[in-house]
Amino acid sequence: GAGVSQTPSNKVTEKGKYVELRCDPISGHTALYWYRQSLGQGPEFLIYFQGTGAADDSGLPNDRFFAVRPEGSVSTLKIQRTERGDSAVYLCASSFETGELFFGEGSRLTVL
Amino acid sequence: EDQVTQSPEALRLQEGESSSLNCSYTVSGLRGLFWYRQDPGKGPEFLFTLYSAGEEKEKERLKATLTKKESFLHITAPKPEDSATYLCAARESSASKIIFGSGTRLSIRP
Repeated sequence: GAGVSQTPSNKVTEKGKYVELRCDPISGHTALYWYRQSLGQGPEFLIYFQGTGAADDSGLPNDRFFAVRPEGSVSTLKIQRTERGDSAVYLCASSFETGELFFGEGSRLTVL
Repeated sequence: EDQVTQSPEALRLQEGESSSLNCSYTVSGLRGLFWYRQDPGKGPEFLFTLYSAGEEKEKERLKATLTKKESFLHITAPKPEDSATYLCAARESSASKIIFGSGTRLSIRP
């Protein structure tokens, strides 16, 4: 498709489980961003990739969160030992190197 | 610490009643100030990028302006379909990290 694609759109899991969220960016975009958004808040920066490498991961809240982008295209955000506080919408965006971000529809994560 | 602050948190207007949303930023060496629109359950949708003080951009009923410390999103004669959350974001010069404000929830009554 022409836009950023995120799967799954909804994920319900139990506390302590492992979760993977996938992002397929716009073709040709070199930069990929992950954000987390709680109800009534703006997107909170998590990590930014330029190509295959994480250029800035300063927003990852702790070592339970990890993200990869092995071939410089699709990215996966991985959350280990999920906690109820991890419940949020996880947004992915892509861009050319210094351009504006184009967002996907988000993955809504609910941890019971 | 880099920060983006938006005000008001929420704004209710009558259809046709013009107003402005504020975004103040403390970012060293701004390399882009962005405005986005977000509808419930959707990802943010890009509206404008501003790069330097004095710059203005327009799209339909929206006009974005930039000073050295603030940006304004002016909405002229709004319609109910303009109801959404408007997000402001900033990129600093030494990094490509983009920081968002908490948004302004705009509601236009017919």
